[in-house]
Amino acid sequence: AQSVTQPDIHITVSEGASLELRCNYSYGATPYLFWYVQSPGQGLQLLLKYFSGDTLVQGIKGFEAEFKRSQSSFNLRKPSVHWSDAAEYFCAVVTGGSARQLTFGSGTQLTVLP
Amino acid sequence: ETGVTQSPTHLIKTRGQQVTLRCSSQSGHNTVSWYQQALGQGPQFIFQYYREEENGRGNFPPRFSGLQFPNYSSELNVNALELDDSALYLCASKRDRGQETQYFGPGTRLLVL
Repeated sequence: AQSVTQPDIHITVSEGASLELRCNYSYGATPYLFWYVQSPGQGLQLLLKYFSGDTLVQGIKGFEAEFKRSQSSFNLRKPSVHWSDAAEYFCAVVTGGSARQLTFGSGTQLTVLP
Repeated sequence: ETGVTQSPTHLIKTRGQQVTLRCSSQSGHNTVSWYQQALGQGPQFIFQYYREEENGRGNFPPRFSGLQFPNYSSELNVNALELDDSALYLCASKRDRGQETQYFGPGTRLLVL
């Protein structure tokens, strides 16, 4: 069955430090991958997506992610974290037939220290 | 702003009651999906509607049902509420069922007592 694993439940970084959030997927075909961010009490905002082509994709708010097929990974990175980046981050993969629904990981909660 | 709106923002019900949650999709989007997000977990796919017909369903019982209307609005109905139905319910729309990118609304937080 298709699945997404986010190994880190909670990550704490200092403001200005670099960030990497891990995501591993299990999917037989070419995956369509997403990163979403959720602030407390809010819906999901799309950060970036990978469908094909260049394996390093740029997103909003200075985030980027790299698709590595050999490692079945799609890790999210940011060179310098801002306090406003504190939120929960979800990795997701498109699954299903005609429905093309999203299967999400369990999320990584990011805390940013001043 | 994704252009997807949901109402109400919060709702409290008691076990056994029925609830209707509403979503207005982004203009021009003919496909809407509903997701349930329990506390501390990622969203889980409930079902998808395409042109007013159910197009796919996740692992949810039949007491979860939906409707989609021609004006880009949709509903999620849950009958015989259980305590475990307490969650954030998210709707997401996309331009067409073959598209991959979904845009999420802010969600409705449901508490079942």
